[in-house]
Amino acid sequence: DADVTQTPRNRITKTGKRIMLECSQTKGHDRMYWYRQDPGLGLRLIYYSFDVKDINKGEISDGYSVSRQAQAKFSLSLESAIPNQTALYFCATSERTFTGELFFGEGSRLTVL
Amino acid sequence: QQPVQSPQAVILREGEDAVINCSSSKALYSVHWYRQKHGEAPVFLMILLKGGEQKGHEKISASFNEKKQQSSLYLTASQLSYSGTYFCGTGGSNYKLTFGKGTLLTVNP
Repeated sequence: DADVTQTPRNRITKTGKRIMLECSQTKGHDRMYWYRQDPGLGLRLIYYSFDVKDINKGEISDGYSVSRQAQAKFSLSLESAIPNQTALYFCATSERTFTGELFFGEGSRLTVL
Repeated sequence: QQPVQSPQAVILREGEDAVINCSSSKALYSVHWYRQKHGEAPVFLMILLKGGEQKGHEKISASFNEKKQQSSLYLTASQLSYSGTYFCGTGGSNYKLTFGKGTLLTVNP
């Protein structure tokens, strides 16, 4: 089983629908992140959390919200999806150390029609 | 602000060398390098920290010029398996990584 698991892996939805992407990890890391990847734009940080009570906005948080339900679980929500949120979303984790290597999940491909 | 990577794309023959550059407009604490193969998640290659410490891949090397806020990734004697998109991520002391737009590396036989 993967250390960082994302569900769903693929989702097609319609404009205005609420969508939740879930991430769970078995690495025991405190730090978790949500990134969005668009062709030619690289990986952009949406939200990050250093522990259950510490959640921070990233570069592109508008239109998104997150919930850190436990150390191992970090969910990303789109309250009212719009077409320009069509993208590949990655969850990642890292240790609470200065080395900070990121471990990525396999990604969730979201299409908003 | 995203770091700037160059070149945007490079094509090599197996056995050739390549250099990928990453520059930032802000002071850096760390530089990370990741490789992403098509349809897969990014995978960690190397991290370079302010002060000279490095950690990462055995066959890939990198440099970090703290004063110029630049890093370079050196791929020597490239193999077919090196193909993919390379991302640099730059970090401040709060460990929030900002990634560049990527460099597409293609290694042909």
